[in-house]
Amino acid sequence: EVQLVESGGGLVQPGGSLRLSCSASGFAFSQYAMHWIRQAPGKALEYIASVSSDGENTYCTDAVRGRFTISRDNSRNTLDLQMSSLRSDDTAIYYCAKGLGMVAAGTRGYFDQWGQGTLVTVSS
Amino acid sequence: EIVLTQSPATLSLSPGERATLSCRASQSVSTYLAWYQQKRGQPPRLLIYDASNRATGIPARFSGSGSGTDFTLTINSLEPEDFAVYYCQQRSDWRSFGQGTKLEIK
Repeated sequence: EVQLVESGGGLVQPGGSLRLSCSASGFAFSQYAMHWIRQAPGKALEYIASVSSDGENTYCTDAVRGRFTISRDNSRNTLDLQMSSLRSDDTAIYYCAKGLGMVAAGTRGYFDQWGQGTLVTVSS
Repeated sequence: EIVLTQSPATLSLSPGERATLSCRASQSVSTYLAWYQQKRGQPPRLLIYDASNRATGIPARFSGSGSGTDFTLTINSLEPEDFAVYYCQQRSDWRSFGQGTKLEIK
């Protein structure tokens, strides 16, 4: 059974930093792209970042580029999101998600398994 | 950036009826579109990918169609557990989601 478990969320002041982690099990982690998607309270889903299966290629949306960094450790089956210069509009549930297809498949751009999410609240 | 616009924002139907949800892209995404279902307090669940392919374990009453800029998610004979929020998502130009359609019980 695929399991994705996020951790590291909490309350942080504006301008602060936080590191989220996602522990993966039940599948060949190193064969799949991984992603972070967030959802502000009562709002729609917002895609924010991806990392390729080997960790060599990363992408962040304009909303977080330069402030957030996505990375992975295939030896430990973990996905991370380092967040800095946090703002109130970063307040959201942060989900990690597994890409549907393996390695270079186009379908790796869809999200077929999701964690339960971790809440990040940016407030003074 | 590709913007996905979903309509209607809210759809009120009764169990047993057919639901038709729309997603329109600001530019062509070919067939690179997915649909997700999200129930309150839960993460989303992938229903359809590449416009018309059902994901593993998704019932046959869910179907997707469309290409280019206009897409439809159809749910035949609504079950009580189908009332939720539905999102479309494209993978043509990186990734983005629509704003969602809430399917509520009439």
